[in-house]
Amino acid sequence: AQRVTQPEKLLSVFKGAPVELKCNYSYSGSPELFWYVQYSRQRLQLLLRHISRESIKGFTADLNKGETSFHLKKPFAQEEDSAMYYCAPLNTGTASKLTFGTGTRLQVTL
Amino acid sequence: ETGVTQTPRHLVMGMTNKKSLKCEQHLGHNAMYWYKQSAKKPLELMFVYSLEERVENNSVPSRFSPECPNSSHLFLHLHTLQPEDSALYLCASSLTSGGAGELFFGEGSRLTVL
Repeated sequence: AQRVTQPEKLLSVFKGAPVELKCNYSYSGSPELFWYVQYSRQRLQLLLRHISRESIKGFTADLNKGETSFHLKKPFAQEEDSAMYYCAPLNTGTASKLTFGTGTRLQVTL
Repeated sequence: ETGVTQTPRHLVMGMTNKKSLKCEQHLGHNAMYWYKQSAKKPLELMFVYSLEERVENNSVPSRFSPECPNSSHLFLHLHTLQPEDSALYLCASSLTSGGAGELFFGEGSRLTVL
């Protein structure tokens, strides 16, 4: 089964500083990976998926198969980026299901 | 109302009570999920329903009993729970169970077992 590790429980950065939220995975086969975000008092929602290779709210994530990583990056942090971020691989099988990491709380301060 | 709606938002129950959590989605999705979110633990998938048929049961104790009467509604029936079952229970839906991984979550039902 796919597993994901988010080593940092809390990441605190200053506004304007670069952000990197780490995610490492163990996977058999071709992985599909996602980042979900939960802002304060809001529901958990999809931020981005690796297959789309898009930038959402300035965030990007590249799948590095050699390092088995899927780190989430943003060059300049904003206050509104403060939230919980979850890395999630997609298990395929009888029913596709997401397995979530423990999450990293990003705190952006002035 | 649109999206995924969960009721009640907060529930306090004794260990001998029987209660139910309700989830409703207005997105036309065919798959629905129950997740458990405990403090300091990752989100745990409990059940997956696809077209009202249970397709996944992740070794959840029988004191949790899901029900999916149609593709828009999902229930989680609770009986003789333990204090360690106190958690935030999240419902989610997706277009299909074999879909591309985008889940739409409800706001959750915060359960406290005394």
